[in-house]
Amino acid sequence: KAGVTQTPRYLIKTRGQQVTLSCSPISGHRSVSWYQQTPGQGLQFLFEYFSETQRNKGNFPGRFSGRQFSNSRSEMNVSTLELGDSALYLCASSLLAGGANEQFFGPGTRLTVL
Amino acid sequence: TQLLEQSPQFLSIQEGENLTVYCNSSSVFSSLQWYRQEPGEGPVLLVTVVTGGEVKKLKRLTFQFGDARKDSSLHITAAQPGDTGLYLCAGTQDNMLTFGGGTRLMVKP
Repeated sequence: KAGVTQTPRYLIKTRGQQVTLSCSPISGHRSVSWYQQTPGQGLQFLFEYFSETQRNKGNFPGRFSGRQFSNSRSEMNVSTLELGDSALYLCASSLLAGGANEQFFGPGTRLTVL
Repeated sequence: TQLLEQSPQFLSIQEGENLTVYCNSSSVFSSLQWYRQEPGEGPVLLVTVVTGGEVKKLKRLTFQFGDARKDSSLHITAAQPGDTGLYLCAGTQDNMLTFGGGTRLMVKP
């Protein structure tokens, strides 16, 4: 069974630009969660999608948005990039919605904002 | 301030030594998970504990959930270089997973 895949793996952008990250969950998993990982703040929850609906949202500004498609693939968008958005963005899939279920993480997308 | 405080933040030990990592909070969690993350990869789930006072063993790793479900510990016996990595605890509250800041462990041969 293929694991969670994320594309691209690395990305360099400049301030003010926008970026879209993609996540393909494990086949059969309908929940996709996104996290931001930085050395200072650690792993922070962004949002979770289940069956194309946002189920939960973390404490991030509206510049961070996401969506999920009918095949459970998910995209995350960050608009008007700031230097502080430089981070490893991880997505995780699980069979069911909710953080209590086992999360399978992808390798992440390393975003650098210059 | 992290909702879940992990200590120590960094740990460097020799192969064969024992160690304990702590995960503490003032909040109650319905469950608590431990993950290990290696460079260039996402975290991988090691264990989930659900019941207060629960103890789970995974080979040389022993996980304990506090009686009040506010804290947890991870004990590694006879650490090996392959145990090197970032250990993360994560608690479930309101159906969301909140991660601790992590403990970076290095085991030297």
